[in-house]
Amino acid sequence: DIVMTQSPLFLPVTPGEPASISCRSSQSLLHSNGYNYVDWYLQKPGQSPQLLIYLGSRRASGVPDRVSGSGSGTDFTLKINRVEAEDVGVYFCMQGLQSPRTFGEGTKVDI
Amino acid sequence: EVQLVESGGGLVQPGGSLRLSCATSGFTFTTSWMSWVRQAPGKGLEWVANIDQDGSGKNYVDSVKGRFTISRDNAETSLYLQMNSLRVEDTAVYYCVRDRLPSVYRGLDVWGQGTTVIVSS
Repeated sequence: DIVMTQSPLFLPVTPGEPASISCRSSQSLLHSNGYNYVDWYLQKPGQSPQLLIYLGSRRASGVPDRVSGSGSGTDFTLKINRVEAEDVGVYFCMQGLQSPRTFGEGTKVDI
Repeated sequence: EVQLVESGGGLVQPGGSLRLSCATSGFTFTTSWMSWVRQAPGKGLEWVANIDQDGSGKNYVDSVKGRFTISRDNAETSLYLQMNSLRVEDTAVYYCVRDRLPSVYRGLDVWGQGTTVIVSS
């Protein structure tokens, strides 16, 4: 199975400042079609997870452009340009290249 | 509006069975793969299983193979998870999730509110 490793596991943030989360996979997530099969999800307190980014860098519907995903192969990053209060929660990366799909441990972001 | 509504969770003894259901609406169910994802109390997310659009292809995480069966009824636009030989470690919130299209990957883009399964004696 592909192992997804996130860092840091806890990230204190300041409103208005940038924030960044790293995700590393044990195997390349680059498909022959040129896309990296990595997603990012946010689980806000008391809510179901929601999709933020898919295929490494594509924003899901309704996700603000201050949130972005980058990276290729085995190293990926989620960046928030200017953190807002609504960004608190736990962020998960997930690989969608092969079954079983696997998630990272999660990064708790708090102000 | 796209909606996924899970039901069927509850308290069950180790070794028992439960069947989870997910009623869907607001999208073309017959063209979407579907997944179940679970979250143990205070833990992260674990993908459990998925099924392709016509039910001919199914995938499972190793820990549930031979015990859980994912299925769908396209006429009823519903997804199911039959869980047998339940273990204490299966205790979790189970989410019904919309998965990819056959030729388009879009992540797990719609999640239900979850249904809670507690396995305890």
